[in-house]
Amino acid sequence: SYVLTQPPSVSVAPGQTARITCGGNNIGSKSVHWYQQKPGQAPVLVVYDDSDRPSGIPERFSGSNSGNTATLTISRVEAGDEADYYCQVWDSSSDPVVFGGGTKLTVL
Amino acid sequence: EVQLVESGGGLVQPGGSLRLSCAASGFTVSSNYMSWVRQAPGKGLEWVSVIYSGGSTYYADSVKGRFTISRDNSKNTLYLQMNSLRAEDTAVYYCARFARGEYYFDYWGQGTLVTVSS
Repeated sequence: SYVLTQPPSVSVAPGQTARITCGGNNIGSKSVHWYQQKPGQAPVLVVYDDSDRPSGIPERFSGSNSGNTATLTISRVEAGDEADYYCQVWDSSSDPVVFGGGTKLTVL
Repeated sequence: EVQLVESGGGLVQPGGSLRLSCAASGFTVSSNYMSWVRQAPGKGLEWVSVIYSGGSTYYADSVKGRFTISRDNSKNTLYLQMNSLRAEDTAVYYCARFARGEYYFDYWGQGTLVTVSS
């Protein structure tokens, strides 16, 4: 089955840029989606189809995808961005929905 | 406004059964792909099952043969029948809607906790 690999944690100071990676075999050929989950809450979609943002998501959230790595970039990080972030793809060859293991973003 | 409201979670003994419900409003469940996703305490998201708008269903290997996803169009409700429950099935179970024609989740319920323990 298809595997997505994320770093367990990323730390960044307020106002700086956070980059969260999601690795997978030739992931650049797939559409990658990102979710933010705060403690005790359901996940929220923050980026879909590699780099598009749902309405209501700040422009500070952006995404890219190429080769074997997709990246969620959060610019001008705020304390309220502290959360777990998950990448997700659709894989028609095995389990259709695949999640990465998640990355805990800590704002220092 | 789209809403998904799960219910049916609780404490069950190993080997027992439970049926989760997800009442939808603001859209028709049969028009979208729908899924169940679970999250064990302190762990990440794990996909459990999907039902396509055409009715086809698929399951994660970890629940295949034990869980059944279904929907009742008249009640606009999604279900997850869980049999032969194990301790490792303990998790918050979310129902989630795929965006129409897309492969990402645009709406999630608030989740319902299932605890499998003697």
